[in-house]
Amino acid sequence: ETGVTQTPRHLVMGMTNKKSLKCEQHLGHNAMYWYKQSAKKPLELMFVYNFKEQTENNSVPSRFSPECPNSSHLFLHLHTLQPEDSALYLCASSFSGGVQETQYFGPGTRLLVL
Amino acid sequence: AQSVTQLGSHVSVSEGALVLLRCNYSSSVPPYLFWYVQYPNQGLQLLLKYTSAATLVKGINGFEAEFKKSETSFHLTKPSAHMSDAAEYFCAVSDAASNTGKLIFGQGTTLQVKP
Repeated sequence: ETGVTQTPRHLVMGMTNKKSLKCEQHLGHNAMYWYKQSAKKPLELMFVYNFKEQTENNSVPSRFSPECPNSSHLFLHLHTLQPEDSALYLCASSFSGGVQETQYFGPGTRLLVL
Repeated sequence: AQSVTQLGSHVSVSEGALVLLRCNYSSSVPPYLFWYVQYPNQGLQLLLKYTSAATLVKGINGFEAEFKKSETSFHLTKPSAHMSDAAEYFCAVSDAASNTGKLIFGQGTTLQVKP
């Protein structure tokens, strides 16, 4: 595997379910990001991890819980979601989280909350 | 606070015609600017970025963008559109104040290329 991978690619869940999204980067990077892409809205940064430490939480509701066990893996744990949380969730990574650095994106997980 | 505005949510050009996608930014500090492209069912891919070196930045697939400080613009151009250029394009500015690599994205522009 190369680049940034995300699983699953598609997910349908009820509002009472608990599920997790997984992201893995094979680029040797140290910073990882979660973004939410909703229809007709700009991409919204959710969380940033740098060297496994959370450095940014963009006022995300607590029903989204990130986890970064190491620099290569990032999870987003989901519970009691709302229909408005349906979106494409994108993971990205960069070398060290610097402002000039290119972020490399995964293909995303398409989430539908019923 | 920094922000990005992309003028035109949809742009349609004929194959072989000039592509011009507009991006204006607002930043109180020298900005770092990016253009990303998203093909259907894929993540975002970097086209090019401006990091205060040359004001004319060349990217992949024949795209380029010019940083104009006086106009606070970073428009994306390509001399001749190809069918494979049909995609969604995002302009973004790096949030220098946060120092976390946070990107602030515009709304996106969907490029349609007609045969």
